[in-house]
Amino acid sequence: QTVVTQEPSFSVSPGGTVTLTCGLSSGSVSTSYYPSWYQQTPGQAPRTLIDSTNTRSSGVPDRFSGSILGNKAALTITGAQADDESDYYCVLYMGSGIWVFGGGTKLTVL
Amino acid sequence: QVQLQESGPGLVKPSQTLSLTCTVSGGSISSGRYYWSWIRQPAGKGLEWIGRVYTSRSTNYNPSLKSRVTISVDTSKNQFSLKLNSVTAADTAVYYCARENAEGRNYFDYWGQGTLVTVSS
Repeated sequence: QTVVTQEPSFSVSPGGTVTLTCGLSSGSVSTSYYPSWYQQTPGQAPRTLIDSTNTRSSGVPDRFSGSILGNKAALTITGAQADDESDYYCVLYMGSGIWVFGGGTKLTVL
Repeated sequence: QVQLQESGPGLVKPSQTLSLTCTVSGGSISSGRYYWSWIRQPAGKGLEWIGRVYTSRSTNYNPSLKSRVTISVDTSKNQFSLKLNSVTAADTAVYYCARENAEGRNYFDYWGQGTLVTVSS
């Protein structure tokens, strides 16, 4: 079964820029996988940030952006803030009605 | 505003069947524009998509769980349900229901708050 890969952890300084990625164990991520990104803080349900590669959900600050970088989907946070410290998950649509989540990235802002 | 709310037993014995229901409010489950999914998260681990149902009652399941999972929809109650049989401790997790927007922008746009299910004797 295809594995969706994410960095297990990342750290960024306040005000800095960080790019989290979402790849495939085999092959390249394209817009056809409808990559979307979710932010989750402890004890809370995931919050939708980005869908369809680069569409920000309502209410999501514009410091969050999505793209395809090389062969991966990417979530970039520009001007990171303390409350961006969260777990971030991507999910890819594999076709035939199947979704696969990445393992998540724990982002530390310090 | 669409809201989803999971309900069901918080404790299930090993080898038995886990049953959860998601009640949708603020919108009709019959609209045909959405799929309705179950997603779970063991403590300290990542999200795992379990499966989804459409109003036509067509379903798709995670291949790794397919042999044990049934997802169904009850349009009269605006609910959809999850049954996972032959559970083990590995099925202990927070279970979320979610709406999948399927109109050209496939993604999970609304989530329930999640419900913890523990498998233990």
